[in-house]
Amino acid sequence: AQSVTQPDIHITVSEGASLELRCNYSYGATPYLFWYVQSPGQGLQLLLKYFSGDTLVQGIKGFEAEFKRSQSSFNLRKPSVHWSDAAEYFCAVGPATDSWGKFQFGAGTQVVVTP
Amino acid sequence: SAVISQKPSRDICQRGTSLTIQCQVDSQVTMMFWYRQQPGQSLTLIATANQGSEATYESGFVIDKFPISRPNLTFSTLTVSNMSPEDSSIYLCSVAPSMGDTQYFGPGTRLTVL
Repeated sequence: AQSVTQPDIHITVSEGASLELRCNYSYGATPYLFWYVQSPGQGLQLLLKYFSGDTLVQGIKGFEAEFKRSQSSFNLRKPSVHWSDAAEYFCAVGPATDSWGKFQFGAGTQVVVTP
Repeated sequence: SAVISQKPSRDICQRGTSLTIQCQVDSQVTMMFWYRQQPGQSLTLIATANQGSEATYESGFVIDKFPISRPNLTFSTLTVSNMSPEDSSIYLCSVAPSMGDTQYFGPGTRLTVL
């Protein structure tokens, strides 16, 4: 069965510092991987996704993620965080293109940005 | 991508009553999904709704409690029936425009049951 683990429940980072959020997955085939962000009181917004090809994926808001098959990881990074990056971040595994299978979401990482 | 709206955005309800949440998409989509996000938790899939067929419910969710309609390719409703305080959550709908595609989420409905 597929699963997603986000080891860090809560991360505090200073504005302007770099940020890395960890995501590990378990999936029987080549996974389709996603990062979403949820600001307070909002729905989920897609940051980036990986289907195939280049393992370094660029997303919106200056975020990037790197797929590492050997480590079963898809970590999200941002070189310099802004106060507006304070939010909850969810990693997700999606089904293959020939399936209507459901998404599996991680537990989420809450990011707090300090001045 | 798809633009999704939900109504209501939030509501406060009395126990024992029911609330119907609407989800509208700006384009035709095959699959729509309903999720529950309990306070401080991740997303849990309630059911998958395909137009023209009965919704498929996940383990722990039943049609009598969460009836779903999917009358066309741009609209769906989720009803939370006979509510109790444990139903207080954010309810989100999402869509997948095609098989294996990205899921796009609505803004959510924040429900509080007293």
